[in-house]
Amino acid sequence: SQELEQSPQSLIVQEGKNLTINCTSSKTLYGLYWYKQKYGEGLIFLMMLQKGGEEKSHEKITAKLDEKKQQSSLHITASQPSHAGIYLCGAEDSGGYQKVTFGTGTKLQVIP
Amino acid sequence: SQTIHQWPATLVQPVGSPLSLECTVEGTSNPNLYWYRQAAGRGLQLLFYSVGIGQISSEVPQNLSASRPQDRQFILSSKKLLLSDSGFYLCAWGVGLGGGTEAFFGQGTRLTVV
Repeated sequence: SQELEQSPQSLIVQEGKNLTINCTSSKTLYGLYWYKQKYGEGLIFLMMLQKGGEEKSHEKITAKLDEKKQQSSLHITASQPSHAGIYLCGAEDSGGYQKVTFGTGTKLQVIP
Repeated sequence: SQTIHQWPATLVQPVGSPLSLECTVEGTSNPNLYWYRQAAGRGLQLLFYSVGIGQISSEVPQNLSASRPQDRQFILSSKKLLLSDSGFYLCAWGVGLGGGTEAFFGQGTRLTVV
């Protein structure tokens, strides 16, 4: 099954600073998802990447998938307290049933 | 638009008691349905997924079971809860086979087994 490693496990940044979260897979990624979770709540979809070298941006968040489709990064520019939460990368299983397995998550705190 | 309902939001149950968590989806037909668990300090673990009524696949052997009595209803159950069943349970749905479409999540149920 898909193994996803996320780094760092936790991150504390000062408001206004940039940050990057990484997600590495043991296998080729067929679909890579980034979700954000506020503590104790459901997951909010951020972005989905499928093609090697693909890059997507939404507001101040940019996600990239490397050419080999085994690593993705999530970059936040000029972080704000509203960015705080747990960021999870998820990968679609090659089995074709849209079975998404997730990494262990990165806990982000933004200090005003 | 599609919505997903999950309840209850929080639950405290004694060890050995039964469990039933319900999830329903509106605004779509024949969704793929999923149950995930997020234990403290751990990532999101896929427990069960279903591609149709009565079709359940289990990802991890455990004390839990799942059922799909209707197209848009997914139930997570246990006959006797263990302390290790505590965690945050999330129901999700998605459409289609593969293809990279996103999954939509419910708000979750925080289960504490005491």
